[in-house]
Amino acid sequence: GNSVTQMEGPVTLSEEAFLTINCTYTATGYPSLFWYVQYPGEGLQLLLKATKADDKGSNKGFEATYRKETTSFHLEKGSVQVSDSAVYFCALGATGGGNKLTFGTGTQLKVEL
Amino acid sequence: EAQVTQNPRYLITVTGKKLTVTCSQNMNHEYMSWYRQDPGLGLRQIYYSMNVEVTDKGDVPEGYKVSRKEKRNFPLILESPSPNQTSLYFCASSRRGAGELFFGEGSRLTVL
Repeated sequence: GNSVTQMEGPVTLSEEAFLTINCTYTATGYPSLFWYVQYPGEGLQLLLKATKADDKGSNKGFEATYRKETTSFHLEKGSVQVSDSAVYFCALGATGGGNKLTFGTGTQLKVEL
Repeated sequence: EAQVTQNPRYLITVTGKKLTVTCSQNMNHEYMSWYRQDPGLGLRQIYYSMNVEVTDKGDVPEGYKVSRKEKRNFPLILESPSPNQTSLYFCASSRRGAGELFFGEGSRLTVL
């Protein structure tokens, strides 16, 4: 079945550091890929998505590229801020469309001054 | 404002006492789903609904029930809660086939 593997956290960075959170997936077909962010005490919000191979999703300075050859969707940001401290979830859409998302275990990011 | 609303946000109860967590969305979405979030396990789907009167099991349905009598509402029912159902619960909705889910703020349930 479909599955998502994310790097374990917590990840602690200084402000303005470069961020990479690794995400790899296993799926049949070519599902859409998502990154969600969960700020403390809140629900998950969509951060970015990509629907086909080589697509790059981007939002709020974050980027991720759908790499079919390595089955990866790594999240990157060039310069993190304290306000980026949150839990980040990689998610895999249902193959062939549909609504179910399969989530990774989440990676907590802490950004310090 | 487009939103998914869950209630209660926090609840402490005892083993065996039936409870219902309500979920309502105002986006006219066909699809609704419940997830539970546990440390180290991420989010796991409990039940989902593709439309009114259409519900199906997700990955961890044991101990839960749902109903979908109206398009906007999708309550989660725990008939006889047990301590292993202590968790953070999220309701989510989306348009059919859209992929992107909109989440509520979560309901933290503790079963003693």
